Amino acid sequence: DVKVTQSSRYLVKRTGEKVFLECVQDMDHENMFWYRQDPGLGLRLIYFSYDVKMKEKGDIPEGYSVSREKKERFSLILESASTNQTSMYLCASRPAGGANVLTFGAGSRLTVL
Amino acid sequence: DAKTTQPPSMDCAEGRAANLPCNHSTISGNEYVYWYRQIHSQGPQYIIHGLKNNETNEMASLIITEDRKSSTLILPHATLRDTAVYYCIVRSQASGSARQLTFGSGTQLTVLP
Repeated sequence: DVKVTQSSRYLVKRTGEKVFLECVQDMDHENMFWYRQDPGLGLRLIYFSYDVKMKEKGDIPEGYSVSREKKERFSLILESASTNQTSMYLCASRPAGGANVLTFGAGSRLTVL
Repeated sequence: DAKTTQPPSMDCAEGRAANLPCNHSTISGNEYVYWYRQIHSQGPQYIIHGLKNNETNEMASLIITEDRKSSTLILPHATLRDTAVYYCIVRSQASGSARQLTFGSGTQLTVLP
């Protein structure tokens, strides 16, 4: 069964901490995405990557960075966590080109105190 | 992008067909209709997509009207595990289009025992 695996389902961090959210996919997909989901706001795209070492800003990149050193792994980094980054974070992947069929991970719920 | 309109909530009896409507009156010729669902506390899951012909897979059927201004997702025999938020999304398959795959508010489907 193909999968997108997010390393942590629940995290609690303190304001100012550096936070790493890891995402690994086993489908050899070129494109990977990080979204955050908040009540009433739907899913919002933070960053995406269409190839190793390539990244593009999404709609809300401020306060985040990403890393894609290997094809299967896409990391989201919060350099200095703030309380307004408390959210559900969702990683997704899809093959290059073709249909917009995204495979999502189960999500990582981050609470910043 | 074409905007979609879905009812905020629907109920369905277990074992009966669930018919979820979506209006997309401004859809353009190269835009597909995608359906995803999100079970509580999980990531979204792709269900089905289509351009103008009706489509069926192991999960659901998608009926698109001849003028393509609306569509219906049909779950033929709903089970309790189908309780979820269902998202109707309209998007072209142009390169990079997944960047703007917009998940709106969707329809909360509750399957009742």
